[in-house]
Amino acid sequence: DVKVTQSSRYLVKRTGEKVFLECVQDMDHENMFWYRQDPGLGLRLIYFSYDVKMKEKGDIPEGYSVSREKKERFSLILESASTNQTSMYLCASSILQGSGNTIYFGEGSWLTVV
Amino acid sequence: AQSVTQLGSHVSVSEGALVLLRCNYSSSVPPYLFWYVQYPNQGLQLLLKYTSAATLVKGINGFEAEFKKSETSFHLTKPSAHMSDAAEYFCAVRGAGNQFYFGTGTSLTVIP
Repeated sequence: DVKVTQSSRYLVKRTGEKVFLECVQDMDHENMFWYRQDPGLGLRLIYFSYDVKMKEKGDIPEGYSVSREKKERFSLILESASTNQTSMYLCASSILQGSGNTIYFGEGSWLTVV
Repeated sequence: AQSVTQLGSHVSVSEGALVLLRCNYSSSVPPYLFWYVQYPNQGLQLLLKYTSAATLVKGINGFEAEFKKSETSFHLTKPSAHMSDAAEYFCAVRGAGNQFYFGTGTSLTVIP
């Protein structure tokens, strides 16, 4: 089974802190994604990466950056956390292409910024 | 551009009743469509996917969905709801650039 692991399930950070959310997948997937989930808004794509050191902005990249130094690991960085970044963050991965390639999700990281 | 619209953010059904969750899509390319389920405090799990083979797709836990090109719809159904079906359900479409676009979700409540 594909496993996407998010290292932190629950975090509480202070405004202005730098926050790292780590994600590791074990299926050699090329694509990795970071989504943000908020009630009534569904999942919104922050960034995605289709290869090591490659990244593409999603729909809401402002206030976030990402790092992909190894194929299996994709990190989301909040340079200076703000209260409006309190949310659930979901990491996901998929193969690069192929009919109906499926996206697999981690368990999510709940971030509260106070 | 690709997008999905889920009609009804909250759906309530009685245990044993039909479940119908609606999803309409917009896609400039032949769509690959998905339904995911999310239980409280968990990530999303794949229920089923449409990949241009059979238009009626069967998934896990007794769910199925029918792709209707003429209606640009991919509604999720289950003949008889169970208490364990209470969860959030998301419809998604895969875009040409390998991105996945999700609907805003439908919260299903099952009444005993």
